[in-house]
Amino acid sequence: DGGITQSPKYLFRKEGQNVTLSCEQNLNHDAMYWYRQDPGQGLRLIYYSQIVNDFQKGDIAEGYSVSREKKESFPLTVTSAQKNPTAFYLCASTTAPGTGYNEQFFGPGTRLTVL
Amino acid sequence: QKEVEQNSGPLSVPEGAIASLNCTYSDRGSQSFFWYRQYSGKSPELIMFIYSNGDKEDGRFTAQLNKASQYVSLLIRDSQPSDSATYLCAVNNYGQNFVFGPGTRLSVLP
Repeated sequence: DGGITQSPKYLFRKEGQNVTLSCEQNLNHDAMYWYRQDPGQGLRLIYYSQIVNDFQKGDIAEGYSVSREKKESFPLTVTSAQKNPTAFYLCASTTAPGTGYNEQFFGPGTRLTVL
Repeated sequence: QKEVEQNSGPLSVPEGAIASLNCTYSDRGSQSFFWYRQYSGKSPELIMFIYSNGDKEDGRFTAQLNKASQYVSLLIRDSQPSDSATYLCAVNNYGQNFVFGPGTRLSVLP
C-alpha cells in the first residue's frame, strides 16, 4: 500500500529538548510539506521541499529545522527555540509540485505535547 | 498575504438535509480548489477538487466555483451523522503553495 507514514503518533517533549518527527512516503512524490495545526485552527506551513537536498521556509519556520536527504523522507526537528510547540503536526506530499493541479496527501499526524 | 476564509461554525443541520459550506479567497490568480474533511484527531482527507467555474458533482457532494466572485462552496446532500467533521477549504496558485482556510465544523443531528 502506498502512503505516508508519520512517527511517533504521540510525542512528549521536556523544556529545552529537541525532538524529531519522522515522515516517510512511498508514493514517489517529489514535494513534501510540514504543517502545524492548533486546536480549532487551520493548517500553517512550516517547511516544504520540492526536490532532494533543497527546502524552503514556510510561514512559521522559526524554531524548526528540516532535512531532505532522500526523496522518501522529510524529518522535522522541533528545537528548544520553539517556545510553544504543543500542536498537531501533519506531513503531506504531492506529485508535480508547482502545477497547482494535484492534491496534497496527508500522513496520520504526530501530536506533540510539551511537559 | 493570501487568505482563505471560512465560517468557523459550528454549522448544524438535521440528518437528511443539505449542508452548505462556503469559502472565499483573496488571490485572484488561484487555479485549483480543494475540499478536505477532517475528523477530530485525524488528518485531512480529500473529498473533492475543482478547477473550472461551475459545478462538479461526486455522489452526495457538489463543489461550486465562481472565480469572478472568488468563492467556492461545498454542498452535501442527504447529510448523515457520519458527515460530522471539520471541512477545510484549500486554494492553490500555479507554482505556489497551498493555502488552507481555518475550517468549518459541521454537525449533522440525528
